[in-house]
Amino acid sequence: EAGVTQFPSHSVIEKGQTVTLRCDPISGHDNLYWYRRVMGKEIKFLLHFVKESKQDESGMPNNRFLAERTGGTYSTLKVQPAELEDSGVYFCASSQGLGTSGREGFWNEQFFGPGTRLTVL
Amino acid sequence: AQSVTQPDIHITVSEGASLELRCNYSYGATPYLFWYVQSPGQGLQLLLKYFSGDTLVQGIKGFEAEFKRSQSSFNLRKPSVHWSDAAEYFCAVRAGNNRKLIWGLGTSLAVNP
Repeated sequence: EAGVTQFPSHSVIEKGQTVTLRCDPISGHDNLYWYRRVMGKEIKFLLHFVKESKQDESGMPNNRFLAERTGGTYSTLKVQPAELEDSGVYFCASSQGLGTSGREGFWNEQFFGPGTRLTVL
Repeated sequence: AQSVTQPDIHITVSEGASLELRCNYSYGATPYLFWYVQSPGQGLQLLLKYFSGDTLVQGIKGFEAEFKRSQSSFNLRKPSVHWSDAAEYFCAVRAGNNRKLIWGLGTSLAVNP
């Protein structure tokens, strides 16, 4: 079974440009999460999808970040325009379950992708 | 607010030596605690988790962790480290009905032959 995949693995862009990160979750996983790790800081939650709906986007830094999950499969995270402080590693994770319905779903493990390293110059 | 502290940013041990990585959390009720590992070029992999019950939990790759409520700690241990254990280790907490994980800074482990 394929794990969570992310594309690209690395991206180097200039300040003001646009970048789109993609995450393909494990097939059948309803929950999809984005996290970010800025160098020297802890990993921070960005947002959580349940299928195609945003369940929690409390961690999104500002309106330059736009996440989508059309059709409830893969997700994209677009940064437009990118700023220097957006540099970091962006992780995607997915887990089984039916969202907030059902205790079993709540405890399901989050499986992580290898991350996309974004460098903004 | 919930928080996680991993006091050791970097640790070096010799192969075959024992290992303990520290993790302290801040949360008012019973937390749900996790340890993840990230090897170079790999995604974060779950080592073990604690939700309730026995405070000593066993994980993959020979790791275990002990939940100590009185000390607000969830330290990760391994009796004998292998060179392949060199990686970055993260402690995380999930609280209440919220699914998002709150992370520590991570501890980078180097293993000397």
